[in-house]
Amino acid sequence: KQEVTQIPAALSVPEGENLVLNCSFTDSAIYNLQWFRQDPGKGLTSLLLIQSSQREQTSGRLNASLDKSSGRSTLYIAASQPGDSATYLCAVPGGGADGLTFGKGTHLIIQP
Amino acid sequence: GAVVSQHPSWVICKSGTSVKIECRSLDFQATTMFWYRQFPKQSLMLMATSNEGSKATYEQGVEKDKFLINHASLTLSTLTVTSAHPEDSSFYICSALRVSYYEQYFGPGTRLTVT
Repeated sequence: KQEVTQIPAALSVPEGENLVLNCSFTDSAIYNLQWFRQDPGKGLTSLLLIQSSQREQTSGRLNASLDKSSGRSTLYIAASQPGDSATYLCAVPGGGADGLTFGKGTHLIIQP
Repeated sequence: GAVVSQHPSWVICKSGTSVKIECRSLDFQATTMFWYRQFPKQSLMLMATSNEGSKATYEQGVEKDKFLINHASLTLSTLTVTSAHPEDSSFYICSALRVSYYEQYFGPGTRLTVT
């Protein structure tokens, strides 16, 4: 059964810092990995999708890498802003018929 | 982009009643949709996989007679919480699988409160 772990569980940093969020998964037989953002009481916003054949994906200040063989992914946030404050979730296929298995998330607070 | 809607966005019901939640893919067809549940301060947990024209597949520990899923068309799946109890209070989120991109697109979620 696929398990996803995210470290750290919570992070609070001053505005402007570069950040790295970590995600690990137990079953490396995945075909993609997704990073999401969730604001309090809200649904999910998809940030990046990395296919298994890719090493990384970039969108603006966000960069996600994937090392499938070691079962790890990182989300790099450059020049953090208060608006980046949210919970960041990592997810991989591993549920029934490719339903996603989610990590517990990293709760990020960017201090102005 | 691909858009998925959910209705209602929030609902309050009394214990013992049933509640139906709709999930629609607005600009693409989805033969497969998924239903997730999120308790406060917890992550999302897959409840079931909804397949158009066939029975849903439920994850271990999810009562299929309590959470009825119907995927009647390529753009609509419904989740009915039958005889709801306070412990069913949760945030329910659906997703639709866009096969051409093999990516799931998520709805905005439905917050259910059972009193």
